[in-house]
Amino acid sequence: DQQVKQNSPSLSVQEGRISILNCDYTNSMFDYFLWYKKYPAEGPTFLISISSIKDKNEDGRFTVFLNKSAKHLSLHIVPSQPGDSAVYFCAASESEAGNMLTFGGGTRLMVKP
Amino acid sequence: NAGVTQTPKFRVLKTGQSMTLLCAQDMNHEYMYWYRQDPGMGLRLIHYSVGEGTTAKGEVPDGYNVSRLKKQNFLLGLESAAPSQTSVYFCASSYYGEAFFGQGTRLTVV
Repeated sequence: DQQVKQNSPSLSVQEGRISILNCDYTNSMFDYFLWYKKYPAEGPTFLISISSIKDKNEDGRFTVFLNKSAKHLSLHIVPSQPGDSAVYFCAASESEAGNMLTFGGGTRLMVKP
Repeated sequence: NAGVTQTPKFRVLKTGQSMTLLCAQDMNHEYMYWYRQDPGMGLRLIHYSVGEGTTAKGEVPDGYNVSRLKKQNFLLGLESAAPSQTSVYFCASSYYGEAFFGQGTRLTVV
């Protein structure tokens, strides 16, 4: 039973538009959430995170929103660029310290020029 | 600054053979992890370590063993490889906040 789910395997967006990637979780003990970006033949790289005490965290073009009551988080990329084309993984942990991450299945984002 | 380094990057094994994957980190992180990535399933935790000399099972530990004799190294062993262990393996390390990942090892068991 997957505790972290990304229900959209793929997403296609036009350059300059907003990309919205969604993630749902079931474990109420999760306290810290992260998004990772992965290019082919490379390891995942950290993008942005959010603690459960917040409902929004912003870093440049990337914003993560957390809705604890719905057990849902989303990643917004504005504006989307062709270089953003990658697989995005949502991850969750019960603690920010020494975090064992539980990952979703990933969403492949394609940004078309 | 190397970060997290995995060796080898690619390997083909025959069923029943054994091998060890090496992970090294130079960030003095306490925590280290081994994940496997399979299509549509994200990354699943195999084993992890919260410090030198300690190891613990993750979500999918069967068929694997690990050792953390030195703080900077975390070894993943396959004693008798099976085709179901064909996957991409990622090592990661962390202290607080995000985990840092290596480049991955693509393992094929035939």
